[in-house]
Amino acid sequence: AQSVTQLGSHVSVSEGALVLLRCNYSSSVPPYLFWYVQYPNQGLQLLLKYTSAATLVKGINGFEAEFKKSETSFHLTKPSAHMSDAAEYFCAVSDRGGSYIPTFGRGTSLIVHP
Amino acid sequence: DADVTQTPRNRITKTGKRIMLECSQTKGHDRMYWYRQDPGLGLRLIYYSFDVKDINKGEISDGYSVSRQAQAKFSLSLESAIPNQTALYFCATSAQPSGGFENEQFFGPGTRLTVL
Repeated sequence: AQSVTQLGSHVSVSEGALVLLRCNYSSSVPPYLFWYVQYPNQGLQLLLKYTSAATLVKGINGFEAEFKKSETSFHLTKPSAHMSDAAEYFCAVSDRGGSYIPTFGRGTSLIVHP
Repeated sequence: DADVTQTPRNRITKTGKRIMLECSQTKGHDRMYWYRQDPGLGLRLIYYSFDVKDINKGEISDGYSVSRQAQAKFSLSLESAIPNQTALYFCATSAQPSGGFENEQFFGPGTRLTVL
């Protein structure tokens, strides 16, 4: 079964600084990969997804992620953090050709300081 | 209007009570899911359904049951609630994968359940 690791349960940045949230998966075959965001008191919503069309994926709100097969990683970045980016971020992975049931990482809480 | 709705949004109950959480969707998706979220543990899958007649256990189904009343409705029941079922519960939907491409999930707003 797939597993996904998000390094760091909390990441703290200053407003305007680079945001980097890490996600690594365990699979020899590149899976489908997703990043979701959860704002306070809300459900999850999709930020971006990788389905093999391009290794650099652009999402909403200025976020992007790069699929690196050699590193089995799909890290999420944003050049300049905004206060409104403060939220919980989840990486998810699902196998190709299987049931497509995603496995979620434990989440990373992004804290943005003024 | 929201595509995926959950009722109730908040519920406090006592140990041993039977509780039902309901989920409705207007996205026309065949696939529906129930997750629970606990701090530091992410989302864990309780049950999922690929269509009305196809219901499957997830990784943490013990103590839970589900009912898929229609394509648009998927309910989660706790037959006899216990305190460690206190959590945030999410319903999600997704379309059937097509053309080899996975489809993302759409989540409801969540139900915060407290079992005393």
